[in-house]
Amino acid sequence: GESVGLHLPTLSVQEGDNSIINCAYSNSASDYFIWYKQESGKGPQFIIDIRSNMDKRQGQRVTVLLNKTVKHLSLQIAATQPGDSAVYFCAVEEPPIIQGAQKLVFGQGTRLTINP
Amino acid sequence: NAGVTQTPKFRVLKTGQSMTLLCAQDMNHEYMYWYRQDPGMGLRLIHYSVGEGTTAKGEVPDGYNVSRLKKQNFLLGLESAAPSQTSVYFCASSQGVGYTFGSGTRLTVV
Repeated sequence: GESVGLHLPTLSVQEGDNSIINCAYSNSASDYFIWYKQESGKGPQFIIDIRSNMDKRQGQRVTVLLNKTVKHLSLQIAATQPGDSAVYFCAVEEPPIIQGAQKLVFGQGTRLTINP
Repeated sequence: NAGVTQTPKFRVLKTGQSMTLLCAQDMNHEYMYWYRQDPGMGLRLIHYSVGEGTTAKGEVPDGYNVSRLKKQNFLLGLESAAPSQTSVYFCASSQGVGYTFGSGTRLTVV
């Protein structure tokens, strides 16, 4: 089965700086990848996703990069703000898809702290 | 929009007691999932459902049962709670791409 790992359990950055959170996955057949943000006491919230036919996708202040050669995924957050403090999870869709169900395998999460 | 609603939000159980966690979604999503979240271990899939009346096992199904009698509801049952089931439980629903999560149920088994 798929396994997903993160390089750093915690990351601390200065407000206004850019942050990069990394993730590695094991299955080269994986096709769909998602980043979630989880604030304290809340459920994970969708940030951005990317399919394997793309290398890069941009959202508002966030960019996801996918390197299929080394099975690596990263989330870049530009000009970090205090509201970006949260735990960030990468999730990988586990093939094969059964009857359309999307089974996601989650990494362990990186806690991002924004220092004033 | 309510999205995905989980009840209760907190619960303390004694070992051996039973309980049911309720998940309700109002987005007419076909697929629903139960995950548990433990410190340092991310989210792990317990059971999932591909439609009304169907359920399937995930990665960590032992000690749990589920039912999907109505499309909008997905119930997670613990028949005989154990301390190892102390966790935060999240329900999610999807329709093709991406999940919508509930806000979680924090369960402590003593």
